[in-house]
Amino acid sequence: GAVVSQHPSRVICKSGTSVKIECRSLDFQATTMFWYRQFPKQSLMLMATSNEGSKATYEQGVEKDKFLINHASLTLSTLTVTSAHPEDSSFYICSARDRSPSEKLFFGSGTQLSVL
Amino acid sequence: LAKTTQPISMDSYEGQEVNITCSHNNIATNDYITWYQQFPSQGPRFIIQGYKTKVTNEVASLFIPADRKSSTLSLPRVSLSDTAVYYCLVATGGEYGNKLVFGAGTILRVKS
Repeated sequence: GAVVSQHPSRVICKSGTSVKIECRSLDFQATTMFWYRQFPKQSLMLMATSNEGSKATYEQGVEKDKFLINHASLTLSTLTVTSAHPEDSSFYICSARDRSPSEKLFFGSGTQLSVL
Repeated sequence: LAKTTQPISMDSYEGQEVNITCSHNNIATNDYITWYQQFPSQGPRFIIQGYKTKVTNEVASLFIPADRKSSTLSLPRVSLSDTAVYYCLVATGGEYGNKLVFGAGTILRVKS
């Protein structure tokens, strides 16, 4: 199956710093990528939909100025958590959709963000 | 966007067959049904996808009745390593497609 690479897998930062997470589709072109957030023992929560060459679409309640998304190419989307605070600590997961009509999603391995 | 409902948790023993049913009463004509598996601190992994009737691959089978308002993931002869959370999603393809929202998922615990 298709491979989605997500880096870093784990990051620890001080409060107030910004953190960038990269998501790459390695063997297919992804016009659309999705960013999810997951708290312990909870399901994945969709944060935003990232479309190549256009602005991301954010879900209700997600601050677009806090979570900056850039989808500059068909294989790369980045999520930047700006001025991170302890409440932003979470597991962030990206996914990319292939071009088939069945809309199969492929997921990155996730990034555990810990803000001190 | 079709909402899905699954049992919160299920317990099984090694070697047994496990069936997890997902309800999606308002599934749209063009929606596919996809199941994912997630281990702790990992991204979800694709298991199987179907549109109608039955689909089988090397790890699971997916049964979809004619009305498509539910689907059943069948895991043959589970092992301890199948302990994970299982999610079913319904989604429609297209230029950008619908948003893909996860339900609560089913926690499967396999015991020895």
